[in-house]
Amino acid sequence: NAGVTQTPKFQVLKTGQSMTLQCAQDMNHNSMYWYRQDPGMGLRLIYYSASEGTTDKGEVPNGYNVSRLNKREFSLRLESAAPSQTSVYFCASLRQGAAYEQYFGPGTRLTVT
Amino acid sequence: QKEVEQDPGPLSVPEGAIVSLNCTYSNSAFQYFMWYRQYSRKGPELLMYTYSSGNKEDGRFTAQVDKSSKYISLFIRDSQPSDSATYLCAMNPIQGAQKLVFGQGTRLTINP
Repeated sequence: NAGVTQTPKFQVLKTGQSMTLQCAQDMNHNSMYWYRQDPGMGLRLIYYSASEGTTDKGEVPNGYNVSRLNKREFSLRLESAAPSQTSVYFCASLRQGAAYEQYFGPGTRLTVT
Repeated sequence: QKEVEQDPGPLSVPEGAIVSLNCTYSNSAFQYFMWYRQYSRKGPELLMYTYSSGNKEDGRFTAQVDKSSKYISLFIRDSQPSDSATYLCAMNPIQGAQKLVFGQGTRLTINP
């Protein structure tokens, strides 16, 4: 049981480049999330998916797109990366029926130059 | 004004001290209150959660909620260097709403 996995762990992009962050969970959770974490800002929700086939915007969705490929996988795409998107990105899933126990992945450290 | 406010610290205390971490919030609809612990370069992990007002104890950790003051606390007794981490509070209005609101996190260091 690997929990929540994310790839890649580190990435450096030039401004304007695109990339996709991958996330997968093996806990059969319905809900999945993408957050970004910046110093002094805490965790900010980018997008979430309450179930397979649905996605909704969070607090900071601009510049990002998501795909809920199936129940296990939830990807985050940066179409044209900007320096303001330099951050640590966390994927999470939510245990159904629990009082909000979110399981987080190890994070992706992204730098946009 | 943010919905959840948390002093980012950093907070540095000697080993064995009692640590108090706090968050205030503005949304009176919040019902579930959580504390996550995040070690350096790792993802957050759920430490404790409480529903509505009151206290909850788990070993050296006590979570306290005062809904009348919109104030929650996490106390760590007999603090250990292994408790050094960032602690984030999180809240949610009702079960099933599925979107947590996080505080900024407080970076805590316990000095041997």
